[in-house]
Amino acid sequence: DIQMTQSPSSLSASVGDRVTITCRASQTMSGYLNWYQQTPGKPPKLLIYAASSLQSGVPSRFSGSGSGTDFALTINNLQPEDSATYYCQQSDNTPYTFGQGTKLEIK
Amino acid sequence: QVQLQESGPGLVKPSETLSLTCTVSGDSISNYYWSWIRQPPGKGLEWIGYLHYSGSTDYNPSFKSRVTISVDTSKNQFSLKLTSVTAADTAVYYCAGRGGWSFHYWGQGTLVTVSS
Repeated sequence: DIQMTQSPSSLSASVGDRVTITCRASQTMSGYLNWYQQTPGKPPKLLIYAASSLQSGVPSRFSGSGSGTDFALTINNLQPEDSATYYCQQSDNTPYTFGQGTKLEIK
Repeated sequence: QVQLQESGPGLVKPSETLSLTCTVSGDSISNYYWSWIRQPPGKGLEWIGYLHYSGSTDYNPSFKSRVTISVDTSKNQFSLKLTSVTAADTAVYYCAGRGGWSFHYWGQGTLVTVSS
């Protein structure tokens, strides 16, 4: 199985800040790395697919980067509605696996 | 717009079988790969398995001996059966549609509690 390790597990930032969440895979990947946002009581929402492609309808302040084993989600100009838990997920191989999540708090 | 809706019992007794159905609307079930994903309360996401409308499946080895995912194309539905459940199977269960290599579509989720 490909293990996905996110860091940090939680962070706090202010409106207008830029934050970066990282995701490290336990083996080199082809690039099928996705990012999701989840708010309490809701299903995850796809933000970024294939490491760096922005899902339709997602604000352009979200961006993804990376390759190989190291990937990142960056949120520019943080907004109050960005308070959520973020998950990376790999679709390179089954079993598909998720990172443990990063909880983002807006101060 | 594709919409998914999970249905099934919210309470299952230990050692019994958990059965859930996902109804797909807004598109044909033949256009995507369909997965079940679960999330224990307060914890992260775990992929259970996927199915293609042709009937091909792939399961997480963590569940392989207990899980079956099947499709009813006439009803645009797919289903999950998980046998021999324990309290550790208490979770919100999501059905999800994979477009390309990511989960584009998600149901709202249904909480299944395993308890006597």
